[in-house]
Amino acid sequence: QSVLTQPPSVSAAPGQKVTISCSGSSFNIGNNYVSWYQQFPGTAPKLLISKNNNRPSGIPDRFSGSKSGTSATLAITGLQTGDEAEYYCGTWDDSLSGGVFGTGTKVTVL
Amino acid sequence: QVQLVQSGTEVKKPGASVKVSCKTSGFSFTNYFIHWVRQAPGQGLEWLGRINPDGDITRYAQKFQGRLTMTRDTSTSTFYMELNSLRSEDTALYYCAREFLTAGTLNMDVWGTGTTVTVSS
Repeated sequence: QSVLTQPPSVSAAPGQKVTISCSGSSFNIGNNYVSWYQQFPGTAPKLLISKNNNRPSGIPDRFSGSKSGTSATLAITGLQTGDEAEYYCGTWDDSLSGGVFGTGTKVTVL
Repeated sequence: QVQLVQSGTEVKKPGASVKVSCKTSGFSFTNYFIHWVRQAPGQGLEWLGRINPDGDITRYAQKFQGRLTMTRDTSTSTFYMELNSLRSEDTALYYCAREFLTAGTLNMDVWGTGTTVTVSS
Protein backbone atom coordinates (compact mmCIF):
# COMPACT_ATOMS: atom_id res chain seq x y z
CA GLN A 1 0.00 0.00 0.00
CA SER A 2 1.38 3.39 -1.03
CA VAL A 3 1.84 6.31 1.34
CA LEU A 4 0.79 8.72 -1.42
CA THR A 5 -2.90 8.74 -2.32
CA GLN A 6 -4.27 9.59 -5.75
CA PRO A 7 -7.80 9.30 -7.16
CA PRO A 8 -8.16 6.09 -9.20
CA SER A 9 -9.47 7.92 -12.23
CA VAL A 10 -10.36 11.30 -13.69
CA SER A 11 -12.01 12.14 -17.00
CA ALA A 12 -12.96 15.09 -19.15
CA ALA A 13 -13.80 15.95 -22.73
CA PRO A 14 -11.15 16.96 -25.26
CA GLY A 15 -9.96 20.50 -24.73
CA GLN A 16 -11.02 20.54 -21.09
CA LYS A 17 -8.88 20.52 -17.97
CA VAL A 18 -8.26 17.77 -15.45
CA THR A 19 -6.45 17.88 -12.15
CA ILE A 20 -4.93 14.95 -10.29
CA SER A 21 -4.25 15.21 -6.58
CA CYS A 22 -1.51 13.47 -4.64
CA SER A 23 -1.89 13.44 -0.88
CA GLY A 24 0.96 12.60 1.49
CA SER A 25 2.43 13.69 4.78
CA SER A 26 5.05 15.95 6.31
CA PHE A 27 7.58 13.14 5.93
CA ASN A 28 7.30 13.04 2.15
CA ILE A 29 5.49 15.73 0.15
CA GLY A 30 5.63 18.22 3.01
CA ASN A 31 9.41 18.18 3.12
CA ASN A 32 10.54 17.11 -0.35
CA TYR A 33 10.05 17.74 -4.04
CA VAL A 34 7.28 16.02 -6.00
CA SER A 35 7.66 14.47 -9.44
CA TRP A 36 4.97 13.32 -11.83
CA TYR A 37 5.18 10.47 -14.32
CA GLN A 38 3.07 9.51 -17.32
CA GLN A 39 2.81 5.87 -18.33
CA PHE A 40 1.18 4.34 -21.38
CA PRO A 41 0.34 0.63 -21.38
CA GLY A 42 3.36 -1.52 -22.10
CA THR A 43 5.87 1.29 -21.85
CA ALA A 44 8.19 2.67 -19.19
CA PRO A 45 7.10 5.70 -17.16
CA LYS A 46 8.11 9.11 -18.47
CA LEU A 47 9.10 12.04 -16.27
CA LEU A 48 6.52 14.76 -16.76
CA ILE A 49 7.17 17.17 -13.91
CA SER A 50 10.21 17.45 -11.66
CA LYS A 51 10.77 19.39 -8.45
CA ASN A 52 7.08 20.22 -7.98
CA ASN A 53 6.58 22.35 -11.08
CA ASN A 54 9.43 22.01 -13.56
CA ARG A 55 8.85 20.55 -17.01
CA PRO A 56 11.73 18.60 -18.56
CA SER A 57 12.64 19.52 -22.10
CA GLY A 58 9.99 18.44 -24.58
CA ILE A 59 7.05 18.36 -22.15
CA PRO A 60 4.23 20.66 -23.35
CA ASP A 61 3.18 23.53 -21.13
CA ARG A 62 -0.31 21.98 -21.01
CA PHE A 63 1.13 19.98 -18.12
CA SER A 64 1.80 21.81 -14.87
CA GLY A 65 2.49 20.88 -11.28
CA SER A 66 2.00 22.55 -7.94
CA LYS A 67 2.45 21.75 -4.28
CA SER A 68 0.85 23.04 -1.12
CA GLY A 69 1.66 21.63 2.28
CA THR A 70 1.38 17.87 2.15
CA SER A 71 -0.43 17.69 -1.18
CA ALA A 72 0.53 18.12 -4.80
CA THR A 73 -1.49 18.55 -7.96
CA LEU A 74 -0.92 17.80 -11.62
CA ALA A 75 -3.02 19.81 -14.06
CA ILE A 76 -3.53 18.98 -17.71
CA THR A 77 -5.15 21.66 -19.82
CA GLY A 78 -6.33 21.41 -23.41
CA LEU A 79 -6.88 17.68 -22.90
CA GLN A 80 -6.06 15.51 -25.91
CA THR A 81 -6.86 11.87 -26.68
CA GLY A 82 -3.12 11.22 -26.57
CA ASP A 83 -3.11 12.16 -22.90
CA GLU A 84 -5.01 9.01 -21.98
CA ALA A 85 -2.55 7.26 -19.71
CA GLU A 86 -1.78 6.42 -16.11
CA TYR A 87 -0.21 9.18 -14.01
CA TYR A 88 1.87 8.72 -10.87
CA CYS A 89 3.27 11.14 -8.34
CA GLY A 90 6.52 10.34 -6.57
CA THR A 91 8.78 11.78 -3.93
CA TRP A 92 11.29 10.92 -1.22
CA ASP A 93 10.06 9.91 2.22
CA ASP A 94 12.34 10.94 5.08
CA SER A 95 10.83 8.54 7.62
CA LEU A 96 11.20 5.57 5.29
CA SER A 97 14.52 6.83 3.86
CA GLY A 98 13.22 5.76 0.49
CA GLY A 99 11.25 6.69 -2.56
CA VAL A 100 7.49 6.45 -2.69
CA PHE A 101 5.00 6.52 -5.54
CA GLY A 102 1.37 7.42 -5.56
CA THR A 103 -1.36 4.88 -6.21
CA GLY A 104 -1.77 6.04 -9.79
CA THR A 105 -4.57 7.82 -11.67
CA LYS A 106 -6.06 6.77 -14.97
CA VAL A 107 -6.92 9.72 -17.19
CA THR A 108 -9.75 9.12 -19.67
CA VAL A 109 -10.65 11.50 -22.46
CA LEU A 110 -14.39 11.29 -23.06
CA GLN B 1 22.38 8.57 -26.94
CA VAL B 2 21.54 8.08 -23.29
CA GLN B 3 20.45 4.50 -22.70
CA LEU B 4 19.81 2.03 -19.93
CA VAL B 5 19.70 -1.46 -21.42
CA GLN B 6 18.52 -4.24 -19.17
CA SER B 7 19.01 -7.97 -19.30
CA GLY B 8 16.39 -10.33 -20.66
CA THR B 9 13.36 -12.12 -19.31
CA GLU B 10 13.82 -14.37 -16.31
CA VAL B 11 11.71 -17.29 -15.12
CA LYS B 12 12.48 -18.52 -11.63
CA LYS B 13 11.11 -20.98 -9.14
CA PRO B 14 10.00 -19.89 -5.67
CA GLY B 15 12.94 -19.60 -3.31
CA ALA B 16 15.44 -18.90 -6.08
CA SER B 17 17.36 -15.69 -6.74
CA VAL B 18 17.40 -13.38 -9.75
CA LYS B 19 20.04 -10.87 -10.80
CA VAL B 20 19.04 -8.21 -13.30
CA SER B 21 21.59 -5.99 -15.05
CA CYS B 22 21.29 -2.41 -16.28
CA LYS B 23 24.00 -1.27 -18.67
CA THR B 24 24.38 2.49 -18.92
CA SER B 25 25.69 4.37 -21.94
CA GLY B 26 25.73 7.87 -23.39
CA PHE B 27 26.30 9.64 -20.08
CA SER B 28 28.61 9.65 -17.09
CA PHE B 29 26.97 7.56 -14.40
CA THR B 30 29.25 9.23 -11.84
CA ASN B 31 26.67 12.02 -11.51
CA TYR B 32 23.61 9.84 -11.08
CA PHE B 33 21.79 7.57 -8.71
CA ILE B 34 20.44 4.39 -10.23
CA HIS B 35 17.02 3.41 -8.90
CA TRP B 36 15.15 0.15 -9.31
CA VAL B 37 11.36 0.18 -9.66
CA ARG B 38 8.98 -2.68 -10.32
CA GLN B 39 5.45 -3.03 -11.57
CA ALA B 40 3.41 -6.16 -10.96
CA PRO B 41 0.86 -7.08 -13.64
CA GLY B 42 -1.97 -4.55 -13.60
CA GLN B 43 -0.51 -2.77 -10.58
CA GLY B 44 1.21 0.52 -9.86
CA LEU B 45 4.85 1.49 -9.52
CA GLU B 46 6.82 0.24 -6.54
CA TRP B 47 10.20 1.70 -5.55
CA LEU B 48 12.72 -0.97 -4.61
CA GLY B 49 15.86 1.01 -3.85
CA ARG B 50 18.71 3.08 -5.21
CA ILE B 51 22.51 3.00 -5.32
CA ASN B 52 24.90 5.92 -5.49
CA PRO B 53 27.48 6.13 -8.28
CA ASP B 54 30.34 5.11 -6.02
CA GLY B 55 28.40 1.97 -5.18
CA ASP B 56 28.99 2.36 -1.46
CA ILE B 57 25.64 3.79 -0.39
CA THR B 58 22.39 1.98 -0.97
CA ARG B 59 18.87 2.63 0.19
CA TYR B 60 16.35 -0.19 0.05
CA ALA B 61 12.62 -0.14 0.62
CA GLN B 62 11.96 -1.61 4.05
CA LYS B 63 9.93 -4.54 2.76
CA PHE B 64 12.98 -5.77 0.80
CA GLN B 65 15.58 -5.37 3.53
CA GLY B 66 17.69 -8.52 3.73
CA ARG B 67 16.47 -9.83 0.40
CA LEU B 68 17.68 -7.17 -2.01
CA THR B 69 21.20 -6.20 -3.07
CA MET B 70 22.25 -3.50 -5.50
CA THR B 71 25.77 -3.31 -6.91
CA ARG B 72 27.63 -1.74 -9.78
CA ASP B 73 30.60 -2.56 -12.01
CA THR B 74 32.43 0.58 -13.05
CA SER B 75 34.50 -1.23 -15.67
CA THR B 76 31.36 -1.94 -17.70
CA SER B 77 29.13 0.92 -16.47
CA THR B 78 26.63 -1.71 -15.43
CA PHE B 79 24.38 -1.81 -12.40
CA TYR B 80 22.84 -4.90 -10.87
CA MET B 81 19.80 -5.71 -8.76
CA GLU B 82 19.66 -9.10 -7.04
CA LEU B 83 16.52 -10.30 -5.28
CA ASN B 84 16.64 -13.47 -3.19
CA SER B 85 14.05 -15.88 -1.79
CA LEU B 86 11.71 -15.17 -4.64
CA ARG B 87 7.99 -15.68 -4.21
CA SER B 88 5.08 -15.46 -6.62
CA GLU B 89 4.39 -11.88 -5.51
CA ASP B 90 7.76 -10.86 -6.98
CA THR B 91 6.46 -11.52 -10.48
CA ALA B 92 6.73 -8.13 -12.13
CA LEU B 93 8.37 -5.93 -14.71
CA TYR B 94 11.56 -4.51 -13.21
CA TYR B 95 13.01 -1.18 -14.34
CA CYS B 96 16.23 0.64 -13.62
CA ALA B 97 16.18 4.43 -13.92
CA ARG B 98 18.67 7.21 -13.42
CA GLU B 99 18.34 10.34 -11.31
CA PHE B 100 20.79 13.22 -11.16
CA LEU B 101 22.38 13.41 -7.72
CA THR B 102 19.89 15.53 -5.76
CA ALA B 103 18.51 15.25 -2.25
CA GLY B 104 14.82 14.98 -1.50
CA THR B 105 13.64 14.05 -4.96
CA LEU B 106 12.55 11.13 -7.10
CA ASN B 107 13.31 12.64 -10.54
CA MET B 108 14.00 9.67 -12.76
CA ASP B 109 14.48 11.13 -16.21
CA VAL B 110 15.69 8.08 -18.14
CA TRP B 111 14.32 4.59 -17.68
CA GLY B 112 15.66 1.21 -18.65
CA THR B 113 14.21 -1.19 -21.17
CA GLY B 114 12.56 -3.28 -18.44
CA THR B 115 13.06 -6.90 -17.41
CA THR B 116 10.19 -9.31 -16.87
CA VAL B 117 10.69 -11.62 -13.91
CA THR B 118 8.23 -14.46 -13.49
CA VAL B 119 8.25 -16.58 -10.36
CA SER B 120 6.39 -19.82 -10.78
CA SER B 121 6.69 -23.40 -9.67
